[in-house]
Amino acid sequence: AQKITQTQPGMFVQEKEAVTLDCTYDTSDQSYGLFWYKQPSSGEMIFLIYQGSYDEQNATEGRYSLNFQKARKSANLVISASQLGDSAMYFCAMRAYNTDKLIFGTGTRLQVFP
Amino acid sequence: GAGVSQSPSNKVTEKGKDVELRCDPISGHTALYWYRQSLGQGLEFLIYFQGNSAPDKSGLPSDRFSAERTGGSVSTLTIQRTQQEDSAVYLCASSETSGSLDTQYFGPGTRLTVL
Repeated sequence: AQKITQTQPGMFVQEKEAVTLDCTYDTSDQSYGLFWYKQPSSGEMIFLIYQGSYDEQNATEGRYSLNFQKARKSANLVISASQLGDSAMYFCAMRAYNTDKLIFGTGTRLQVFP
Repeated sequence: GAGVSQSPSNKVTEKGKDVELRCDPISGHTALYWYRQSLGQGLEFLIYFQGNSAPDKSGLPSDRFSAERTGGSVSTLTIQRTQQEDSAVYLCASSETSGSLDTQYFGPGTRLTVL
């Protein structure tokens, strides 16, 4: 069975600082993808970044980067230069190659303060 | 281009009534997914459609839940005889295909409240 664990229910960070949101996963599949989504108070799920299990380089998208450590089964999201608009819930998710659905963690609420 | 759209954005209903929730996927996306998010929880997979193939209904919580996808585009999620535990945000997502690890793009959701 696949499982995503996000151990930080809430995080605070000061504007312009970097923050790391933790995500660990469990799967017996060799081929899988890891995703991070942002959910602001409006409720929409916004795709941020994707890492494939065979990708050798860590994924980066603007201020977002994914610290992928395959042996440790972790896929932490790093947000650099935090902005007030980054305040939201952040969900880590995974999908095995031979399945249809995304498995989500319980999320981390990030609050950015001035 | 236009993203995934869902309607209504909010729905309040009485226990025992039936409700229909609608999803319009991104044009050209062949895969469509329904998820449910209860208060303070992550997302729970409900059902998945890929083209004309039989849907994967493995996540539907009971036989009160059903979904259709007409013409390979718009989808409707129907909940019959609603219960208070059905109160949640229902999110629809679509992706270009499902044979690879394509990114799923989500709609804004429908917030369902069962009184």
